[in-house]
Amino acid sequence: DSGVTQTPKHLITATGQRVTLRCSPRSGDLSVYWYQQSLDQGLQFLIQYYNGEERAKGNILERFSAQQFPDLHSELNLSSLELGDSALYFCASSVERGHVETQYFGPGTRLLVL
Amino acid sequence: AQKITQTQPGMFVQEKEAVTLDCTYDTSDPSYGLFWYKQPSSGEMIFLIYQGSYDQQNATEGRYSLNFQKARKSANLVISASQLGDSAMYFCAMREGGSNYKLTFGKGTLLTVNP
Repeated sequence: DSGVTQTPKHLITATGQRVTLRCSPRSGDLSVYWYQQSLDQGLQFLIQYYNGEERAKGNILERFSAQQFPDLHSELNLSSLELGDSALYFCASSVERGHVETQYFGPGTRLLVL
Repeated sequence: AQKITQTQPGMFVQEKEAVTLDCTYDTSDPSYGLFWYKQPSSGEMIFLIYQGSYDQQNATEGRYSLNFQKARKSANLVISASQLGDSAMYFCAMREGGSNYKLTFGKGTLLTVNP
């Protein structure tokens, strides 16, 4: 168990809908990352938050948005869903100790868009 | 150009034998980190081992070791004494320097351990 929690585990929805994925980082970790894993694109970085502020953006669509709250949990909002958004969405959290910063992943949310 | 290349889509190994999973990387940043993650069929991503670009020695964590050859830009994962539970996808990932600590992943290698 990595200590990172994600809800829900599975989500089935229809095209055009909006969903929210939730992540709670490990205790003490200030950084939260979101990744998308799909068969055609592999594992791709979406966005990073550090202590409530957006720090970096990757290949995140404009239909997607995220935020990190004062208690450090994070939410990833996916709107106007398309079939191609079906994927496994991971949240990871990290803390830097010395020169090493390791990301620990949650169990993922498996999204199926029908 | 791909930043992380894993050339073995699938590998087979007999239980109790050692196996090497290949990873090559591409970066011009002198400061970077290399990671290996395991993804069992259940889907979670499990951190295995880390190697920093300035580390003088190869990293080891239990049965996992990283064969780091900086000049060749390779960071191969060696699993000793394979166990049936080692059957999984294995991903190599890189973090380049700077304040953005995002990971760039390879496409993975599916390891099957045979009894």
